[in-house]
Amino acid sequence: ETGVTQSPTHLIKTRGQQVTLRCSSQSGHNTVSWYQQALGQGPQFIFQYYREEENGRGNFPPRFSGLQFPNYSSELNVNALELDDSALYLCASSPPGQGVPYEQYFGPGTRLTVT
Amino acid sequence: GENVEQHPSTLSVQEGDSAVIKCTYSDSASNYFPWYKQELGKGPQLIIDIRSNVGEKKDQRIAVTLNKTAKHFSLHITETQPEDSAVYFCAASGSGYSTLTFGKGTMLLVSP
Repeated sequence: ETGVTQSPTHLIKTRGQQVTLRCSSQSGHNTVSWYQQALGQGPQFIFQYYREEENGRGNFPPRFSGLQFPNYSSELNVNALELDDSALYLCASSPPGQGVPYEQYFGPGTRLTVT
Repeated sequence: GENVEQHPSTLSVQEGDSAVIKCTYSDSASNYFPWYKQELGKGPQLIIDIRSNVGEKKDQRIAVTLNKTAKHFSLHITETQPEDSAVYFCAASGSGYSTLTFGKGTMLLVSP
């Protein structure tokens, strides 16, 4: 069984640019959540997607947006990058039918550096 | 919103000793409490979780206890091994869309 995969592994961008990060959920999982993990901190919830719609959002500005595709894979887009956006971006997928709240299984993350 | 406090921030033990990490949460509606292990350069790995209808759960050398009245839960690792060295995160969830609120993490170092 393939776990959660994310691409790219590392990324360096310049302030003001835009970035797209990608996530493939674990087989059979239909819910995807995105988290931002700053150095030395716990992950912070950005948003969650279920059935291709945003299903909850944390305290992040609108320049953070996402998509979920029919195969349950997902993208995180960040516009107008700021230096503080430098972090590890984690994607987590959840299985259906396990009760609420569901277990979340994380991918390896994408390390974004904004210069 | 939910707030999760985790202690200690660092924990050093000798191989074979036990390690205990404690977390408190603020939202009495939270009903799911997972623990994650994160090794350097990797994503968090779910190691054990507990739901609010259970007071204790054990999986080999790892156990978690939950006290809903006091709003705290703990991770217990017995017979620690060097490969247990990592950062451990507690989290709590209870919102309708299953967001996880994480603690700030505990760096566990197990010395041979």
